[in-house]
Amino acid sequence: DAGVTQSPTHLIKTRGQQVTLRCSPKSGHDTVSWYQQALGQGPQFIFQYYEEEERQRGNFPDRFSGHQFPNYSSELNVNALLLGDSALYLCASSLWYPRQGNEKLFFGSGTQLSVL
Amino acid sequence: AQKVTQAQTEISVVEKEDVTLDCVYETRDTTYYLFWYKQPPSGELVFLIRRNSFDEQNEISGRYSWNFQKSTSSFNFTITASQVVDSAVYFCALSGSNAGGTSYGKLTFGQGTILTVHP
Repeated sequence: DAGVTQSPTHLIKTRGQQVTLRCSPKSGHDTVSWYQQALGQGPQFIFQYYEEEERQRGNFPDRFSGHQFPNYSSELNVNALLLGDSALYLCASSLWYPRQGNEKLFFGSGTQLSVL
Repeated sequence: AQKVTQAQTEISVVEKEDVTLDCVYETRDTTYYLFWYKQPPSGELVFLIRRNSFDEQNEISGRYSWNFQKSTSSFNFTITASQVVDSAVYFCALSGSNAGGTSYGKLTFGQGTILTVHP
């Protein structure tokens, strides 16, 4: 049973560039959430996708956008990269309607993005 | 707005000691979920425990136990007889409780507590 997989593992970009991160949810899951984790901080919620639509969004600018595909996989796009976008980007998968007692997120190992 | 505070930035213990990680939260929701996640050096957040706001029964699961007190908005986590493999960053998290996946998909995390267990 494959867990949440993210690619690439590491990425180095320069300011102003654009980046795309990818996530495949755990088998059977239909909902994907993205989080940004700066060094030494807790993860911060970016947005959540279900049925190919953005369902919730955190406090992130429009430079951060996403997409969910019919197979439930997802992409996170960041435009006009800033130095402050350097962070670990975590993808989490879940069920939109879980069984009671099974409300939890499964996380991937993340993509470490460095902006120079 | 929701907020989670983990007052302990770092904790260092010797193997076999018991260790308690503190978590205090703020929310206006009447029902909500509380979580503890562990983040080893690999980066992946590993789910440990989950609690509904309407269930204040405290439980023990193996070496893990938790103390949920709604009156003080605290959700503390205890590892009994700590082991070196328990060394990691531990996060307390909070989500609201609405219909569907929005109920627990958006987590608010604390700053994390770095636990180091020495042999």
